[in-house]
Amino acid sequence: AQRVTQPEKLLSVFKGAPVELKCNYSYSGSPELFWYVQYSRQRLQLLLRHISRESIKGFTADLNKGETSFHLKKPFAQEEDSAMYYCALMCPGGYNKLIFGAGTRLAVHP
Amino acid sequence: DVKVTQSSRYLVKRTGEKVFLECVQDMDHENMFWYRQDPGLGLRLIYFSYDVKMKEKGDIPEGYSVSREKKERFSLILESASTNQTSMYLCASKLGSSGNTIYFGEGSWLTVV
Repeated sequence: AQRVTQPEKLLSVFKGAPVELKCNYSYSGSPELFWYVQYSRQRLQLLLRHISRESIKGFTADLNKGETSFHLKKPFAQEEDSAMYYCALMCPGGYNKLIFGAGTRLAVHP
Repeated sequence: DVKVTQSSRYLVKRTGEKVFLECVQDMDHENMFWYRQDPGLGLRLIYFSYDVKMKEKGDIPEGYSVSREKKERFSLILESASTNQTSMYLCASKLGSSGNTIYFGEGSWLTVV
């Protein structure tokens, strides 16, 4: 069964520190992976997707098929990065539904 | 800009009541989804629809039903609300092809007392 695991419920760092939000998935095929973010009082929105290989707001994520991971990284955290982050998996052919992890709350302190 | 609108932001209902949550999207998307969002559990898919009058069960369909009579509107129905259905409900929509972005509504906070 497809599954997304985010092992940390809360990640607390100081401004300027590096950040890594972990995401592991289980899927036998070639998945599409995403990171979604929800800032306080805002709707859930796409942060980045692995196929784009882009950096958004300083965040990057690399798909590691060997370790079945898609960790989100940022070298220097900012206070405005504080939010709820969800890793999500889309299985091609499965009506394109997204399967989400439990989420990690990132708190960046001044 | 894609707009997914959930008409009710906050609802309080009594146990046993029938509850309707409405969602409308304005971008002619084929796919629409209902998730519930709970702390520590993330987002769990309740139902989704890939076309008008078509629906598929998600991971937690029990106690819910859906209706998609028009392409732009996807309704979630709680036939007899229970306290364990107190949650944040998120509607989302997506264009048909794989890889396109899913757009979310702002959410509907439902409290069942």
